[in-house]
Amino acid sequence: AQSVTQLGSHVSVSEGALVLLRCNYSSSVPPYLFWYVQYPNQGLQLLLKYTSAATLVKGINGFEAEFKKSETSFHLTKPSAHMSDAAEYFCAVRNQAGTALIFGKGTTLSVSS
Amino acid sequence: ETGVTQTPRHLVMGMTNKKSLKCEQHLGHNAMYWYKQSAKKPLELMFVYSLEERVENNSVPSRFSPECPNSSHLFLHLHTLQPEDSALYLCASSPPPGQGAGELFFGEGSRLTVL
Repeated sequence: AQSVTQLGSHVSVSEGALVLLRCNYSSSVPPYLFWYVQYPNQGLQLLLKYTSAATLVKGINGFEAEFKKSETSFHLTKPSAHMSDAAEYFCAVRNQAGTALIFGKGTTLSVSS
Repeated sequence: ETGVTQTPRHLVMGMTNKKSLKCEQHLGHNAMYWYKQSAKKPLELMFVYSLEERVENNSVPSRFSPECPNSSHLFLHLHTLQPEDSALYLCASSPPPGQGAGELFFGEGSRLTVL
């Protein structure tokens, strides 16, 4: 069965520092992977998606993620954090039936000045 | 106009009330979803509708009753809820196969409080 594990429920960085949010997946089929962001009192917004075309995926707001099959990982990075990046981030994998997404528990990113 | 619209944004109800959450999508998608988001827990998939047919129902209590009258509208009817049902209920839609990778487009959610 498909699942994702997000390592670290809370990550704190300084403004301008590298952002690294970790996600490991488990999948019995080639995975379709996603990262979403949720700001307070809002729904989830798609940051980027992996669909087996390229292992390095670029998304919105300067984020990117690299698919590493050998490590079953899909970590999210951003070279320089902004205060506006403070939010909750979710990693997700498409289920085997292709009918829905399975989400991790989320990682809260805090950015300090 | 946003792609996926949920109403109401906030709802407070007693355990004996009956209320409904509404979701409308303006993206031309043919699948719609209800997820439950509780504090400290992963998003829980509740229901999936594809072409107005329910294709997934993840052991949700019968006090939650979904309705999908057409591909643009989705309802969640609520009755005799429990305080532990208090959560953010998120509606989402997705494009037909071949037009995407199965990514979901979410509404802003309906915050439900059960007293």
